[in-house]
Amino acid sequence: EDQVTQSPEALRLQEGESSSLNCSYTVSGLRGLFWYRQDPGKGPEFLFTLYSAGEEKEKERLKATLTKKESFLHITAPKPEDSATYLCAVQAGRDDKIIFGKGTRLHILP
Amino acid sequence: ETGVTQTPRHLVMGMTNKKSLKCEQHLGHNAMYWYKQSAKKPLELMFVYNFKEQTENNSVPSRFSPECPNSSHLFLHLHTLQPEDSALYLCASSRGGLYNEQFFGPGTRLTVL
Repeated sequence: EDQVTQSPEALRLQEGESSSLNCSYTVSGLRGLFWYRQDPGKGPEFLFTLYSAGEEKEKERLKATLTKKESFLHITAPKPEDSATYLCAVQAGRDDKIIFGKGTRLHILP
Repeated sequence: ETGVTQTPRHLVMGMTNKKSLKCEQHLGHNAMYWYKQSAKKPLELMFVYNFKEQTENNSVPSRFSPECPNSSHLFLHLHTLQPEDSALYLCASSRGGLYNEQFFGPGTRLTVL
């Protein structure tokens, strides 16, 4: 069964303390992996799409990487405004199904 | 208005009521999606429309009925819902191929009493 698992479920960091969020997947025929950010009371906001192992993308303090089994979202020197839930999703299979993980709730303390 | 808008933002309904959720996208996209987001669960894709044609229905109960009159508007008609249907319902749109970068609306928080 196709699965997307995100870890940890929640993460508290001090401002400036770098860390990584993980998204592991077991799917057949990966077409793309997406990262979204969701603030409370809002819909998810697109961050990155990764298509193949070895690909990396960056945006401000965020960097996403992809291997054949997982993706990491690296957060460098985070600020309180980076606090949000980060969602990972994969598009895979013959029918291009999209499957979301449960997300990682990130809290950056000032 | 810009982006993806959804109305109403909050809705409380009884199990025998009939209501509709509305989504409008101002981005010129061709694909629109309905998702259900429940606490402690991943986002669940419900319906997909591409150029007004329904391309996906993920085994959603018939008490949820989608309608897509054009590429900019998407409705979700609700009738005889159950309390477990209480959730945040999100609409999204994308350009080009399905599941490209999706733009989400703010959602409708639905409570079924």
